[in-house]
Amino acid sequence: AQSVTQLGSHVSVSEGALVLLRCNYSSSVPPYLFWYVQYPNQGLQLLLKYTTGATLVKGINGFEAEFKKSETSFHLTKPSAHMSDAAEYFCAVTPAGGTSYGKLTFGQGTILTVHP
Amino acid sequence: GAGVSQSPRYKVTKRGQDVALRCDPISGHVSLYWYRQALGQGPEFLTYFNYEAQQDKSGLPNDRFSAERPEGSISTLTIQRTEQRDSAMYRCASSLGVSSSYNEQFFGPGTRLTVL
Repeated sequence: AQSVTQLGSHVSVSEGALVLLRCNYSSSVPPYLFWYVQYPNQGLQLLLKYTTGATLVKGINGFEAEFKKSETSFHLTKPSAHMSDAAEYFCAVTPAGGTSYGKLTFGQGTILTVHP
Repeated sequence: GAGVSQSPRYKVTKRGQDVALRCDPISGHVSLYWYRQALGQGPEFLTYFNYEAQQDKSGLPNDRFSAERPEGSISTLTIQRTEQRDSAMYRCASSLGVSSSYNEQFFGPGTRLTVL
């Protein structure tokens, strides 16, 4: 079974400041990990994913995340926040194989607010 | 079409009525997933299809919920005898299919269901 915990349902930063959204996961098998972004009245959009290989993955809009197996974490970062980054962000996990492969388990989401 | 579409976008119904939610996946996508998202929560898996075959319905809450994809393209999620607790955003996603490498799930805009 898999589970995802996102620390902080709301995060507020100033424009130009570092963005850090935290995600910890639990999985009984090797995981694939994802960050999705949701803008109002739109569907979920994939920001980045980790499947295999390099543990530091880069995504769209300047975001990146690092898979740390020892910490069971996959935190999302961006060096400098932009007003357009204001949205809700979801971390998700799926097992790398088995009968549950492809079924995404999501965290509860983190709403990011960016102040001018 | 260019992306996953869902209809209706908003549905208000009275308790006890049946509702049918439609998902039109990206053309050529083999896999189709249904998720439910309660307010303030992340999406939760309901069921998924490969072609017309329902592969897993373990996330359907009870027997009032059913889904079909008779021709391997459009899918319908039906909720019979709706209850207020069924109120949520229902999201559909599609992907190229199950393979040795992970195929991204593309999400539709969702159907907001309100049961009065």
